[in-house]
Amino acid sequence: KAGVTQTPRYLIKTRGQQVTLSCSPISGHRSVSWYQQTPGQGLQFLFEYFSETQRNKGNFPGRFSGRQFSNSRSEMNVSTLELGDSALYLCASSPGGLAQQETQYFGPGTRLLVL
Amino acid sequence: GEDVEQSLFLSVREGDSSVINCTYTDSSSTYLYWYKQEPGAGLQLLTYIFSNMDMKQDQRLTVLLNKKDKHLSLRIADTQTGDSAIYFCAEGFQKLVFGTGTRLLVSP
Repeated sequence: KAGVTQTPRYLIKTRGQQVTLSCSPISGHRSVSWYQQTPGQGLQFLFEYFSETQRNKGNFPGRFSGRQFSNSRSEMNVSTLELGDSALYLCASSPGGLAQQETQYFGPGTRLLVL
Repeated sequence: GEDVEQSLFLSVREGDSSVINCTYTDSSSTYLYWYKQEPGAGLQLLTYIFSNMDMKQDQRLTVLLNKKDKHLSLRIADTQTGDSAIYFCAEGFQKLVFGTGTRLLVSP
């Protein structure tokens, strides 16, 4: 099976802009989670989608949003970008999510640089 | 809240064993995980252990779990230069909570 894919791999934006990142899960996986990785804060959970519904949410401002499509592909959107949003954004998929005692498999990430 | 702690750095010689330690606070997790991250890459799931197990062995990897002390360790036998990376332990029920990561440097 193909792994989790994320596009684009690299992105440069300026403050105030918005950005959309995409994640395609492993075939058959219905749960998609997003994480932000920064040198200062480490790896932090953003949100999880399952069957097109947001099931869990981390502690991030409303500028961070997401959605999931019927084919389980997910997008994450960040509006009004700030310098501190520069990070590696990782997407992970699993058949039913951690609550179903399943492991998550991560994609290679999208590296976002905000200037 | 949940908290996971790891030492930041470990340096070993090729062929030695490496032991990476982790402590956690949330005892409700069903599984605890070890992930590996190489430079510029995403997270690779190395292994995981069910919370009612004490030990799990997977080729060169041995995971030990001490539930009483909430302590998890990852032992890598015969460490190779290709094992140089950052290792994260993680736990969680509905979301993963990661440790700070331990940077393992393997010298020839």
